[in-house]
Amino acid sequence: DAGVTQSPTHLIKTRGQQVTLRCSPKSGHDTVSWYQQALGQGPQFIFQYYEEEERQRGNFPDRFSGHQFPNYSSELNVNALLLGDSALYLCASSFLPFDLDTTVDGYTFGSGTRLTVV
Amino acid sequence: ELKVEQNPLFLSMQEGKNYTIYCNYSTTSDRLYWYRQDPGKSLESLFVLLSNGAVKQEGRLMASLDTKARLSTLHITAAVHDLSATYFCAVVDAGNMLTFGGGTRLMVKP
Repeated sequence: DAGVTQSPTHLIKTRGQQVTLRCSPKSGHDTVSWYQQALGQGPQFIFQYYEEEERQRGNFPDRFSGHQFPNYSSELNVNALLLGDSALYLCASSFLPFDLDTTVDGYTFGSGTRLTVV
Repeated sequence: ELKVEQNPLFLSMQEGKNYTIYCNYSTTSDRLYWYRQDPGKSLESLFVLLSNGAVKQEGRLMASLDTKARLSTLHITAAVHDLSATYFCAVVDAGNMLTFGGGTRLMVKP
């Protein structure tokens, strides 16, 4: 089953460095959303990409940027890393326009990338 | 801004008991999801609720939605240890963005 694939699974970076996280969506999905989940909290929406453009953005600074490629895969880039950026980063894929008849897998989440900033 | 609140945040219960997790949200939405997350793992989709009065059941879990009250519940019947996990509700806004509640950490003790 070609679910959502994220890489790497774990990453340790130093404050001030830059990091790139990658996501391949589920087969048939064309939209990718990124979420940050700090320890003990619910996921927070970072941004969503559709047709290679950022469609929506959550309350995150410009240090967080992204990209979507023609094959629908996506990257999340974080510049000037802070200790507070340490979190589990989740990628979720979906298909737009949303089809009410196929809602069970509306959003499929990857296993995440655990980023630790030291 | 859409806000989603869950309660309780932490729930410790004995096997065989019943309990309910509540999810309140602040603005109109046409979709609400329930997810399960095991420690260190990703999110597993449990239910999607689309309309007022919707009820879905899977095993010992049953979810319902009251769009007028902006309230969803996740009811656990005769809990077993395997249900121990963190449960999140998430509501979709007009832009297809998911807003999550803070989660309910459920611990089922023998």
